[in-house]
Amino acid sequence: AQSVTQLGSHVSVSEGALVLLRCNYSSSVPPYLFWYVQYPNQGLQLLLKYTTGATLVKGINGFEAEFKKSETSFHLTKPSAHMSDAAEYFCAVSEAAGNKLTFGGGTRVLVKP
Amino acid sequence: EPEVTQTPSHQVTQMGQEVILRCVPISNHLYFYWYRQILGQKVEFLVSFYNNEISEKSEIFDDQFSVERPDGSNFTLKIRSTKLEDSAMYFCASRPNGPGAYNSPLHFGNGTRLTVT
Repeated sequence: AQSVTQLGSHVSVSEGALVLLRCNYSSSVPPYLFWYVQYPNQGLQLLLKYTTGATLVKGINGFEAEFKKSETSFHLTKPSAHMSDAAEYFCAVSEAAGNKLTFGGGTRVLVKP
Repeated sequence: EPEVTQTPSHQVTQMGQEVILRCVPISNHLYFYWYRQILGQKVEFLVSFYNNEISEKSEIFDDQFSVERPDGSNFTLKIRSTKLEDSAMYFCASRPNGPGAYNSPLHFGNGTRLTVT
């Protein structure tokens, strides 16, 4: 069975500082990996995805993530935090086409001015 | 950009009552999903639906839950006899089918907040 662990339920960063959100997964087959963002009172919006090919993937709003098979990780980064990045971020894994996504517990990001 | 729409945004109901949560997936999508998020907890898979039948369901999706695609546009989640612990945000999602769509992400609606009193 697939599972996702996000280290840290809350992260606080200063505006302009690096954002690093950690995600580790377990999967019995090569996974598809996703990061979603949830702004207050809104649904889940896709930030980026990894399916095959290049292990460093770029998404919207300056975010990127790197798939490391040896570490079973898919950490999300952004070089410089902006106030608008305050939201909750979810890592998710899917094992095959059409299958469900399994989500991590989420990490809430607070950006301090 | 097309989006998944859910109604109502907030539903309050009494314990034991039936509720129907409604979703309009993106028009050319063929896979549909319901997820829920209890306050402070992770987003949990409930059910997936394809070709007019359930393709997968979780342990949460017991006999009190059902899904239906009553027409060509709506996708509904019915909870027959609500319990206090059903209070959560319910998200509908859809995904396209077809060549190249096998690795496409899910598109989520903004959710319906269900409060059972």
